[in-house]
Amino acid sequence: SQQGEEDPQALSIQEGENATMNCSYKTSINNLQWYRQNSGRGLVHLILIRSNEREKHSGRLRVTLDTSKKSSSLLITASRAADTASYFCATAGMPSNTGKLIFGQGTTLQVKP
Amino acid sequence: DGGITQSPKYLFRKEGQNVTLSCEQNLNHDAMYWYRQDPGQGLRLIYYSQIVNDFQKGDIAEGYSVSREKKESFPLTVTSAQKNPTAFYLCASTPPAGWNTEAFFGQGTRLTVV
Repeated sequence: SQQGEEDPQALSIQEGENATMNCSYKTSINNLQWYRQNSGRGLVHLILIRSNEREKHSGRLRVTLDTSKKSSSLLITASRAADTASYFCATAGMPSNTGKLIFGQGTTLQVKP
Repeated sequence: DGGITQSPKYLFRKEGQNVTLSCEQNLNHDAMYWYRQDPGQGLRLIYYSQIVNDFQKGDIAEGYSVSREKKESFPLTVTSAQKNPTAFYLCASTPPAGWNTEAFFGQGTRLTVV
């Protein structure tokens, strides 16, 4: 079963602009993670935010988590053409110590040079 | 280099055949997972294993089987009972305390029924 929805499904921006993607989920979580997937490749982990954290930064990435609204957002600042990829949120649910992840459907980001 | 290796990259299956996808990791991770990805969709969990000789069904286990005889290896067999096997298959692993750590993914195997 899929945990939730990602919004928008597709996003097209110019290089240098910021990109914001949103993720909603349904059940209580231990953490929420964001992954990136280039076309036809595996997933690469970007950032993990725990349920007791509200915001986290990594380079040009900023992730927020609102557990009361069961939602998260990923902001990519000063985007580059190389950021073109699909981005997925994934949740590790509670109670669970299995490492299982439930994925959203993803946002496809296109950054135009 | 440590990582997860999936093979083959592309696989073609005839109707009624069983095929096995390979997944090997040298990260010394305890837990391993198989996910299926359909076009334009997120990943769905097929099977997972937290320890050698033990594994559990995920959300879409029907038509699939796995084994975990070695810590490094977690092969997935797509059986003839899987009615719609054409998809992209991804293997992943997590270190101990996997519930609060990132997952590491292989590069995937694209399976096509011909």
